[in-house]
Amino acid sequence: ILNVEQSPQSLHVQEGDSTNFTCSFPSSNFYALHWYRWETAKSPEALFVMTLNGDEKKKGRISATLNTKEGYSYLYIKGSQPEDSATYLCAFIKGDDKIIFGKGTRLHILP
Amino acid sequence: DAGITQSPRHKVTETGTPVTLRCHQTENHRYMYWYRQDPGHGLRLIHYSYGVKDTDKGEVSDGYSVSRSKTEDFLLTLESATSSQTSVYFCATHGQRNTEAFFGQGTRLTVV
Repeated sequence: ILNVEQSPQSLHVQEGDSTNFTCSFPSSNFYALHWYRWETAKSPEALFVMTLNGDEKKKGRISATLNTKEGYSYLYIKGSQPEDSATYLCAFIKGDDKIIFGKGTRLHILP
Repeated sequence: DAGITQSPRHKVTETGTPVTLRCHQTENHRYMYWYRQDPGHGLRLIHYSYGVKDTDKGEVSDGYSVSRSKTEDFLLTLESATSSQTSVYFCATHGQRNTEAFFGQGTRLTVV
């Protein structure tokens, strides 16, 4: 069974603070790692697509790193804002084209 | 927004009846996926397709079948719906393996 694990499951962060969370995945048969942002009552939207070991991606205050050899990726949010409240999903893409999602980290920004 | 449309958006059906959900895309994407979303489980892969008439099972495929007779449509069928199949169903597509996936709006299915 293929497991993509995300931690923590839920996180409360004070507005203005920075935070990070983890996605771990099998290091074999790796093709790509995606991060998605999922707001309530909407559909998930892609943040990053990462394919190479050592990849670092950045979009505004959000960034991500990738370690394919040890099977983990970190998502960082700098200076959290209320609009950052959402569920953050990572997805592991295997060589056979399956996209397997983790259960997500639910982020709550406290005013 | 990517042109991915799910229909119906909401459906209530009785146990034992067949149900078909449709995912239609206008992006000419090769890959299409069906997921179900349940509390505490995130998105779980039901079936996926990597081309016309090419489909394969995901993590939770029991009780579901799919068909893809043309690039733009991916149908998910519950042959005999059960209450455990009450869920929100999402379709996703992507064009290349190293590109992001795009999601439909979701279909809320209730089996009573």
